Amino acid sequence: DAGITQSPRHKVTETGTPVTLRCHQTENHRYMYWYRQDPGHGLRLIHYSYGVKDTDKGEVSDGYSVSRSKTEDFLLTLESATSSQTSVYFCATSPSGASTDTQYFGPGTRLTVL
Amino acid sequence: TQLLEQSPQFLSIQEGENLTVYCNSSSVFSSLQWYRQEPGEGPVLLVTVVTGGEVKKLKRLTFQFGDARKDSSLHITAAQPGDTGLYLCAGDASGGSYIPTFGRGTSLIVHP
Repeated sequence: DAGITQSPRHKVTETGTPVTLRCHQTENHRYMYWYRQDPGHGLRLIHYSYGVKDTDKGEVSDGYSVSRSKTEDFLLTLESATSSQTSVYFCATSPSGASTDTQYFGPGTRLTVL
Repeated sequence: TQLLEQSPQFLSIQEGENLTVYCNSSSVFSSLQWYRQEPGEGPVLLVTVVTGGEVKKLKRLTFQFGDARKDSSLHITAAQPGDTGLYLCAGDASGGSYIPTFGRGTSLIVHP
C-alpha cells in the first residue's frame, strides 16, 4: 500500500474559522487529489496537483484553496469554514495522473463545522 | 452534472446470493475503474477496464466494460459478508488530461 497519511483525522470547528488539512505521501507520486464525500453525492474532486506548485480546480473548488510546496505534502485550506463544508475529506495520489493509474487513498478526515 | 450513474443505490442481500451493479453514462470513457470502500476507510482499487467488451475476473467478482465504452457492470457470485461495502465506479470523459469523476456508489450489505 502507498503510504498516505492525513491529519487531523477528526476536527470540529466553528463557522468562520480557518481550517487546514494535511496530506502526506511517501511514494513520490506526482499527482495528488483532494476529494470530499457526502451522502448521496459520492466522491467529488475539490482540487488536484500535478507537481510542486502546480494545482488546478476540480468540480467543487469554491471556498477551498490548496498548496503543494513539496512533492510529499498537499494542503487543503478552508479560509472561512461554513456548515456546508462539513464532510469527510479524502486525499489520494497517483503516479502519473493517467486514467488507468491506481489512485491510492488516505484514511480520510472527518470535519464538522458548527 | 453526474456523468456516471450507478444503480442500484442500495442493495441488501443474504450470503450466497448473486448480484449485479451497474455504472452507466451517456459519455464515452477511455477507461473505467471500480473501487470498494469499507466503512471508515478510503476506497481501494479493484479493477481497471480499458477495451470495449472487456471482461475481467477477480475471484468471485466479474467486471465488464460495455462495447461502446459508455457503461460497465460488476457481478458478484455467491456474495459473502466480506463483500459488504460501497462500490464506486470512476472514469474520465473529458478527452484531455485525466480529471477523475466518481459515481455516487452502490452500498452493498451481505447478511450472514
